[in-house]
Amino acid sequence: QVQLQESGPGLVKPSETLSLTCSVSGGSISGYYWSWIRQPPGKGLEWLGYLYYTGYAEYSPSLKTRVTISTDTSKNQVSLKLTSVTAADTAIYYCARSTRDIVFDYWGPGILVTVSS
Amino acid sequence: QSVLTQPPSASGTPGQRVTISCSGSSSNIGNDYVYWYQQLPGTAPKLLIYMNNQRPSGVPDRFSGSKSGTSASLAISGLRSEDEADYYCAAWDGSLSARVFGEGTKLTVL
Repeated sequence: QVQLQESGPGLVKPSETLSLTCSVSGGSISGYYWSWIRQPPGKGLEWLGYLYYTGYAEYSPSLKTRVTISTDTSKNQVSLKLTSVTAADTAIYYCARSTRDIVFDYWGPGILVTVSS
Repeated sequence: QSVLTQPPSASGTPGQRVTISCSGSSSNIGNDYVYWYQQLPGTAPKLLIYMNNQRPSGVPDRFSGSKSGTSASLAISGLRSEDEADYYCAAWDGSLSARVFGEGTKLTVL
């Protein structure tokens, strides 16, 4: 059974970089698309971007200057970096797996990241 | 404001059939598959419907999806109290080059 688990700091200061890791167990990251999705408290879902295991990535147009998604195949991990954060970036951050036709079939439980000084 | 429009709320009584709509455009729903996710309170979303009308294993056949033109619908028959959740539609938007979600519909079982 594939399992995803997000990890990282729960508190980030404004203007700093948010860095999260998604550890994948029960399966390889190879052959799949890996996305980060966030959800501000009490609000809807926002897609941040995806990375195909080959290295091809696409990012949300509204965030593409600040977002980077990468993988570490040796550790079976997917990472997210979001630079120059503000309070508007406070959200639960989820990682999720996709195949070409089945989008977001597995999700991590999410991690709440608060941006505050 | 999302490019996919869902009603903010829906409701029904146990045993009823309810439908949730998702309206888009030719750049998203009209040109790609629609996906539906169920988010129970305090949990991560769960894939409910993929490729417009396919159910992952383990999803009851009470849940069904359909698509016509630039709109899609999720139908839930034999409504149960455990169906009370937020439901989101999603599609790829070719104009934005982005995966887009609807704003979500909160389903209440009366």
